[in-house]
Amino acid sequence: SAVISQKPSRDICQRGTSLTIQCQVDSQVTMMFWYRQQPGQSLTLIATANQGSEATYESGFVIDKFPISRPNLTFSTLTVSNMSPEDSSIYLCSVEVGQQAFFGQGTRLTVV
Amino acid sequence: AQSVTQLGSHVSVSEGALVLLRCNYSSSVPPYLFWYVQYPNQGLQLLLKYTSAATLVKGINGFEAEFKKSETSFHLTKPSAHMSDAAEYFCAVSDTGRRALTFGSGTRLQVQP
Repeated sequence: SAVISQKPSRDICQRGTSLTIQCQVDSQVTMMFWYRQQPGQSLTLIATANQGSEATYESGFVIDKFPISRPNLTFSTLTVSNMSPEDSSIYLCSVEVGQQAFFGQGTRLTVV
Repeated sequence: AQSVTQLGSHVSVSEGALVLLRCNYSSSVPPYLFWYVQYPNQGLQLLLKYTSAATLVKGINGFEAEFKKSETSFHLTKPSAHMSDAAEYFCAVSDTGRRALTFGSGTRLQVQP
């Protein structure tokens, strides 16, 4: 199994600013995944982050808007840049261990 | 490409009644299939998973799901609904080539007293 700690758990931010979300895992993992859950909707994959290489972004998501760091096998950050109200969502970090995905509790972001 | 379709964005049942939440998938390779539950203002919790072993999978809280390859389905059932089952349920698919999950749109289950 895996225990994931995500920070912050929630934040209210002004439009035009940036927020960095941290994800810490209690074991070493090759891949870490970042998802977005917009209000009342399902989860959408933003990107896959491998240690030591550039993150791979899904269609509709770009590095300039959602830069990701993966400095080691237990940690990753996602930054939401130049925020607008449309970025208000829950952002979740996830890892796969033993054919099972584990999720952080999420970061509830509100942009005003 | 993988995809998941959950039929019915809202399902309402009476307490004690059968719960049936539908999920159909599309995958070019043998899939791994999952059901997750999300309670209000909480994170995702795994209910059960299918990873090519037994086609009938039992999960937590009395839920089970059956993998039917011929129907490309993985419907979630529970014989008797409880008030505490009210939540959002997500079906998801992955495969060995793409480790991330593709989620369905979710089904909100209401349980009426």
